[in-house]
Amino acid sequence: EVQLVESGGGLVQPGGSLRLSCAASGFTFNSQEMHWVRQAPGEGLEWLSYISEDGDIKKYADSIKGRFTTSRDNAKNSLFLQMDSLRDEDTAVYYCVKEGAQEYHFDYWGQGTLVTVSS
Amino acid sequence: QSALTQPASVSGSPGQSIAISCTGTSSDVGGSNHVSWYQQHPGKAPKLLLYDVTNRPSGVSDRFSGSKSGNTASLTISGLQAEDDADYYCSSYVSTTTLYVFGTGTKVTVL
Repeated sequence: EVQLVESGGGLVQPGGSLRLSCAASGFTFNSQEMHWVRQAPGEGLEWLSYISEDGDIKKYADSIKGRFTTSRDNAKNSLFLQMDSLRDEDTAVYYCVKEGAQEYHFDYWGQGTLVTVSS
Repeated sequence: QSALTQPASVSGSPGQSIAISCTGTSSDVGGSNHVSWYQQHPGKAPKLLLYDVTNRPSGVSDRFSGSKSGNTASLTISGLQAEDDADYYCSSYVSTTTLYVFGTGTKVTVL
């Protein structure tokens, strides 16, 4: 059974940093492309970032480019999102998402972790 | 990259069929066969319903079907059931630095 479990969310002040982690199991992690998607309270979904199977290729949404960094540790079946220079508008539930084997869609989602940016 | 446009809400009675539209541009929906649909119940993570416009993952009911014409994709739910009461989002692959764009979301209410 595929499982994606996020952790690391919490309350942080504007300008602060936070590192999200995602523990993956139930599939061959080092063979799968991964993403982060977020959802602000009461709002829709926003794609944030992509990382290739080996971690060499990364893509980011314009809204987080230069502030957030995605990475992975295939030896530990883990995905990360380093979030710096956080803003109020970054308040959201952050989902770790697995790309489908046929690509170009998201077939498994974690339960999400809430990040609240507030003073 | 702007969000794809979906109706804010759609409703129907049990047993009826409803359709949800997802309108983009030639840069996303119109130029891509990689349109997918997701269902989200309150407080839960989204769940994949359809990918590549019409393909259903194993385990997804055949009451869910998809189509696309020009810049608009559509999700049809046939034989509406109480458990279909949820939010629905479309998504399109965009071959630019912003890889994916989601729709604005549609609240489906089963009357």
